[in-house]
Amino acid sequence: DVVLTQTPPTLSATIGQSVSISCRSSQSLLHSNGNTYLNWLLQRPGQPPQLLIYLVSRLESGVPNRFSGSGSGTDFTLKISGVEAEDLGVYYCVQSTHAPRTFGGGTKLELK
Amino acid sequence: EIQLQESGPGLVKPSQSLSLTCSVTGYTITSGYDWSWIRKFPGNKMEWMGYISNSGSTNYNPSLKIRISITRDTSKNQFFLQLNSVTTEDTATYYCARWPYYWGQGVMVTVSS
Repeated sequence: DVVLTQTPPTLSATIGQSVSISCRSSQSLLHSNGNTYLNWLLQRPGQPPQLLIYLVSRLESGVPNRFSGSGSGTDFTLKISGVEAEDLGVYYCVQSTHAPRTFGGGTKLELK
Repeated sequence: EIQLQESGPGLVKPSQSLSLTCSVTGYTITSGYDWSWIRKFPGNKMEWMGYISNSGSTNYNPSLKIRISITRDTSKNQFFLQLNSVTTEDTATYYCARWPYYWGQGVMVTVSS
């Protein structure tokens, strides 16, 4: 199975601070069809996961543009440009290029 | 607006089967996409369990392959999870999803005698 390693496991931020989360894959996530199936999800406390970013860098409808995704191959990054209180929760990267789909271990974003 | 809702028992005894239902409104499950079951263990670990496609084919996580079955009732626009021979390690919150866009609220299942 593809192993996704997220760092850091916990992130403390102040409101307005910009932060980044890294997701490294044990294999390239470039599919033979040319797409890279790497998504970012946010799970707020008491809520189900919410899709933020799909195909590495495409912003899901309704998601604020302070969220951005980048990367290729095995290294990916989620950036939040100016954390807001509603951004607190656990962030996951998840891949569906290779079967079975696998998740990163999660990054918990807390207020400092 | 598409909505998914999980239902099923919150407590299952070890060695028994876990059965959950996902009821979908706002979209017909035969129209497209795949319909997944995912679980979150105590802590942060998430595991994709498997899916049933809009055409009815299934794909399971090999780690669960001998214990899992995902089926559907198209007349009710529902799909189902059955996990056999459960142990305490199957204690988790179970989510259904139209991968990866729409998720149900989740149902907590505890495996305990």
